[in-house]
Amino acid sequence: GAVVSQHPSRVICKSGTSVKIECRSLDFQATTMFWYRQFPKQSLMLMATSNEGSKATYEQGVEKDKFLINHASLTLSTLTVTSAHPEDSSFYICSARVPGRSQETQYFGPGTRLLVL
Amino acid sequence: GDSVTQMEGPVTLSEEAFLTINCTYTATGYPSLFWYVQYPGEGLQLLLKATKADDKGSNKGFEATYRKETTSFHLEKGSVQVSDSAVYFCALRHITGNQFYFGTGTSLTVIP
Repeated sequence: GAVVSQHPSRVICKSGTSVKIECRSLDFQATTMFWYRQFPKQSLMLMATSNEGSKATYEQGVEKDKFLINHASLTLSTLTVTSAHPEDSSFYICSARVPGRSQETQYFGPGTRLLVL
Repeated sequence: GDSVTQMEGPVTLSEEAFLTINCTYTATGYPSLFWYVQYPGEGLQLLLKATKADDKGSNKGFEATYRKETTSFHLEKGSVQVSDSAVYFCALRHITGNQFYFGTGTSLTVIP
């Protein structure tokens, strides 16, 4: 199947700093990517849908100014957590949809664990 | 709203034991149901799916049947192997829209 990578796999940062997480589709071009977050012992929650060349669509309750999403190319989407706080500590997972395939066909990255001190 | 509830782990089984991971859902209409598996250090991978009531999804010896009357999609395998050790996520998705609704995941460890 298609491969999606994320970088970094884990990051520790100080409160108030910004952190950028990259999501790459390695062997296909993805016009649409998705960002999820997962708190311990909770479900993955969709944060936003990232469309190449246009603004991301955020789910209700997700602050677009805090979680900046850029999908500048067909193989890369980035999530920047701005002015991070300890409550932003979480597991962030991206997925990418393969063009021309069923909307259900999404490939997931391995996730990025963020710890804000 | 739509949601998925799956049994909490962790689950530890001996090799060749029978596995059941329960999953129930709440949704309007007729969603598609999925089981995803995440091996250590890797992304979620689709394990199996079912798109309508009474459908049975199967893959790698795993099975799950879409039961609308009980709103369930329990995952089963008759004889687990050490290589099945992973985290398993139940999920639903409507035909329209992008959003998946995931359960919290169940960690499975199979010991020799």
